[in-house]
Amino acid sequence: DVKVTQSSRYLVKRTGEKVFLECVQDMDHENMFWYRQDPGLGLRLIYFSYDVKMKEKGDIPEGYSVSREKKERFSLILESASTNQTSMYLCASSTIRGTGKETQYFGPGTRLLVL
Amino acid sequence: AQSVTQLDSQVPVFEEAPVELRCNYSSSVSVYLFWYVQYPNQGLQLLLKYLSGSTLVKGINGFEAEFNKSQTSFHLRKPSVHISDTAEYFCAVSGPASGGSYIPTFGRGTSLIVHP
Repeated sequence: DVKVTQSSRYLVKRTGEKVFLECVQDMDHENMFWYRQDPGLGLRLIYFSYDVKMKEKGDIPEGYSVSREKKERFSLILESASTNQTSMYLCASSTIRGTGKETQYFGPGTRLLVL
Repeated sequence: AQSVTQLDSQVPVFEEAPVELRCNYSSSVSVYLFWYVQYPNQGLQLLLKYLSGSTLVKGINGFEAEFNKSQTSFHLRKPSVHISDTAEYFCAVSGPASGGSYIPTFGRGTSLIVHP
């Protein structure tokens, strides 16, 4: 079974802190994604990556950056956390780039609270 | 551009009753359609998907969905729900996006609440 793990289930940070969210997948997937999930808004794509050291902006990249130094690991970085970044963050991975048929495999999520 | 509309934000239903969760999409090209389920405090997992062929797709836990191209819909159904089906359900569509990549677009979700 595909396993996607996220480093923390819950995080509490202060405004202005730099925050790192880590995601690791164990199935050698090429594609990795970061979403945020908010009530009534569903999932919104922040960034995605098709390969090591490659990244592309999603729908809401402002205030975030990402890093993919190894194929299995995709990190989301909040450079200076703000209260409006309080949310659930979901990491996902998938294989076979570019067909649209791919199933996404999700981690359990990190619930971030910024005070 | 593609988009997904889940017509109901919340669907309450009694145990053993049938349920339908509605999903409509818009896209100018052929698409692939997915339903994902998110149980409380968990990530999303695939329920079923339509790629091609038969328009009636069967998934896990007794769910099925029907692809209707003329109505651009992909509604999810179950003939008899259980308490354990209480969860958030997301419809998603994928197809050509800018730059030639195929990135799924998710709906806002429907919360299915099953009452005893």
